[in-house]
Amino acid sequence: SALTQPASVSGSPGQSITISCTGTSSDVGSSTLLSWYQQHPGSAPKLILYEGTKRPSGLSNRFSGSKSGSTASLTISGLQAEDEAHYYCCAYADGFNFVVFGGGTKLTVL
Amino acid sequence: QIQLVQSGGEVKKPGASVKVSCETSGYTFITYTINWVRQAPGQGLEWLGWISPYTGNTNYAQTFQGRVTMTTDTSTNTAYLELRGLRSDDTAIYYCARDSIGWFDSWGQGTLVTVS
Repeated sequence: SALTQPASVSGSPGQSITISCTGTSSDVGSSTLLSWYQQHPGSAPKLILYEGTKRPSGLSNRFSGSKSGSTASLTISGLQAEDEAHYYCCAYADGFNFVVFGGGTKLTVL
Repeated sequence: QIQLVQSGGEVKKPGASVKVSCETSGYTFITYTINWVRQAPGQGLEWLGWISPYTGNTNYAQTFQGRVTMTTDTSTNTAYLELRGLRSDDTAIYYCARDSIGWFDSWGQGTLVTVS
């Protein structure tokens, strides 16, 4: 089943927010292949973190990731208006046998 | 640069089949698995499965076993998704995505499939 994310989070410009992604020992807890995606309305998802903590080339260092047990987290610091989007976590598990996404979190920049 | 360009939107009747294409460029097609992900209106992302263009091996999500077929044409660097027995809840945007060994680093623009 889908990984659990909060439906929504919000923050003011310049603040930091954290989005959690909770799974089980069969997916998030046992996988190093955790990724996060940002999706603006009407656009395809965009990779923002891979292997839990790594950023694709050129992506702002305001995005960071961590994991503890079966919960992964995405932190966005120095919030900007352009960060307003949906965010999805993703775990690749069981030796590439299945992929599961989180339900998604809508970030509102106040 | 890396591009994945998908075919246009489709409208299908319940019970019909649909085939969506994903033409790639800017990289060596056979060296990256292609995954398919869909998104129902206002909903989250749902994984359908992957195909290796190099081996032809596939791995389908259990939810779609028996209804989905993924193929590739290495002569045109194109991946295909076929979904059969369409139902109204298959209405969604279908995305192809390049799999960089555990994460999806490039995505197609999406193809809207409407079942009505």
